[in-house]
Amino acid sequence: KQEVTQIPAALSVPEGENLVLNCSFTDSAIYNLQWFRQDPGKGLTSLLLIQSSQREQTSGRLNASLDKSSGRSTLYIAASQPGDSATYLCAVNQGAQKLVFGQGTRLTINP
Amino acid sequence: NAGVTQTPKFRILKIGQSMTLQCAQDMNHNYMYWYRQDPGMGLKLIYYSVGAGITDKGEVPNGYNVSRSTTEDFPLRLELAAPSQTSVYFCASSPDPNYGYTFGSGTRLTVV
Repeated sequence: KQEVTQIPAALSVPEGENLVLNCSFTDSAIYNLQWFRQDPGKGLTSLLLIQSSQREQTSGRLNASLDKSSGRSTLYIAASQPGDSATYLCAVNQGAQKLVFGQGTRLTINP
Repeated sequence: NAGVTQTPKFRILKIGQSMTLQCAQDMNHNYMYWYRQDPGMGLKLIYYSVGAGITDKGEVPNGYNVSRSTTEDFPLRLELAAPSQTSVYFCASSPDPNYGYTFGSGTRLTVV
């Protein structure tokens, strides 16, 4: 059974710092991995999608990497801003309609 | 471009009542999904559909029913609400799971 773990569960950093969020998964047979952002009381916003054949994807200040063989993905946020404060979720797609989510990392950027 | 629209945003139900959570998408996506998110937990799949007229159970289907009569709509039905169904419900759609998912803003349901 696929298990997705996100560490740390919560992270607080001062504004302007670069930071890395981690996601690990137990079964490397995945189609893709998606990073989402969730603001309090809101839905999920897709940030980046990495296919299993790709190593990384970039969007603005965000960079996501994927190492399928080791079962790891990282989300790098450059020059963090208070508006980046949210919960970040990773989800792996195993096909057969199985999108398995981690429990998320709650990020707080302090002004 | 509305994307995935869920209604209502909030609802309080009494034990034993029934209700339907609505989900509509305007992107002509074949794949649609219902997830629930409990506090401090990841999302769990309730039901999914790969096209109009085709639905199947996910990880936690007990207590729920779905139908998919059109490509656009995928309602979730709770027949006899129980406190264990207190959760936030998210609907999602995808043109193909290999191309990622788009989520609605959620319905926060409380059963008392």
